[in-house]
Amino acid sequence: QVQLQESGPGLAKPSQTLSLTCTVSGGSITTGDFYWSWIRQSPGTGLEWIGYIFSSGKTFSNPSLKSRLSISIDTSKNQFSLTLRSVTAADTAVYYCAREGRGAGWFDPWGQGTLVTVSS
Amino acid sequence: QSALTQPASVSGSPGQSITISCTGTSSDIGGYNYVSWYQHHPGKAPKLMIYVVSNRPSGVSNRFSGSKSGNTASLTISGLQADDEAVYYCCSYVSGNSLLFGGGTRLTVL
Repeated sequence: QVQLQESGPGLAKPSQTLSLTCTVSGGSITTGDFYWSWIRQSPGTGLEWIGYIFSSGKTFSNPSLKSRLSISIDTSKNQFSLTLRSVTAADTAVYYCAREGRGAGWFDPWGQGTLVTVSS
Repeated sequence: QSALTQPASVSGSPGQSITISCTGTSSDIGGYNYVSWYQHHPGKAPKLMIYVVSNRPSGVSNRFSGSKSGNTASLTISGLQADDEAVYYCCSYVSGNSLLFGGGTRLTVL
């Protein structure tokens, strides 16, 4: 069965760049018409969809983050990545990667999540 | 984009049924049948409970059911059990290739 695992630094400095990678195991990232997604949860708040990418490289992003966001995919490594520029304390969150169901708006499975703190 | 509207909390006794509502607009819930629900226990990954309004993934108890009317989707949990206690989130597709979550509802099993 497909499993996802986030990795990356747990700390980012204000105004700098946050970068995370999600490694997919148990299946190919190019199989099926799935979108590969990033979702976050800031402390004390709910879930926020960040964006997703198709195996072709086509991306869709949350309009509120679009200007600072890049999502990329490396099919040779079965990984996809998130880059968020000019971060502030408001970007402190648990970041999850997840597989999205063929444009039907459901997420399954999810990674365990990784906490990223933005602080000097 | 404002989050979909969910009640902050609901509660019920073991064996009872509860319903969590999720209200949006004609640009999201009302316009598409792409509503999903997630169960989130603290410190764990969210779990998909319902997709495409009313479909249950394999392995999810039939005590969980979903529905939609107009701009409001609902999750019903029947025969409440202690381990149902969690935060529940709805999610909807939004016109323009975007997705939007609700603010979350904390379910307390009394």
